[in-house]
Amino acid sequence: GAGVSQSPSNKVTEKGKDVELRCDPISGHTALYWYRQSLGQGLEFLIYFQGNSAPDKSGLPSDRFSAERTGGSVSTLTIQRTQQEDSAVYLCASSLIGSFAGYTFGSGTRLTVV
Amino acid sequence: GENVEQHPSTLSVQEGDSAVIKCTYSDSASNYFPWYKQELGKRPQLIIDIRSNVGEKKDQRIAVTLNKTAKHFSLHITETQPEDSAVYFCAPRDNQGGKLIFGQGTELSVKP
Repeated sequence: GAGVSQSPSNKVTEKGKDVELRCDPISGHTALYWYRQSLGQGLEFLIYFQGNSAPDKSGLPSDRFSAERTGGSVSTLTIQRTQQEDSAVYLCASSLIGSFAGYTFGSGTRLTVV
Repeated sequence: GENVEQHPSTLSVQEGDSAVIKCTYSDSASNYFPWYKQELGKRPQLIIDIRSNVGEKKDQRIAVTLNKTAKHFSLHITETQPEDSAVYFCAPRDNQGGKLIFGQGTELSVKP
């Protein structure tokens, strides 16, 4: 597509429920990243997919968080047994492969756990 | 891993003045240094970047300077305008050539 698309744009869920967040990167971008941004805070790295290589999962905060990327395109971030501290904006970005490739961000999913 | 610090955390200037934001990083192998602008409620957007083999890059009213020896790079905005008001993030790339590591952000306010 023309840009990075994320869905849903807003999600309200009850504590303890599972949620799935979706990211559709720019066509041809083989690198895909997930970040989390709490209100008024910086961007916290979660996970990074690069082509067919094993993903860099070093930023996932707990085993309740997981992500997959099917067919080298769409990615899904899953949060199991959501907690109130999971409330944040989840941002996805994609880029070309390479040390000098900048990101294009999606508009994010605002997750609220009540 | 890469440690990134940004200063100041908030910056208020009068319209027309210059603004400078500094970012320090720890990984001497980092070779790509972008700056992102995030307006309230919007996604971060790349505004300028620099590679490690270049000391300075300009794009109209914005510029980035890099000091690899001291491991810091700075964003310079001249002739600031109210629409420059936003949060700015530096994000050097880690030494694996992979992910960007974002600083804590600088909230710039330009007063008319």
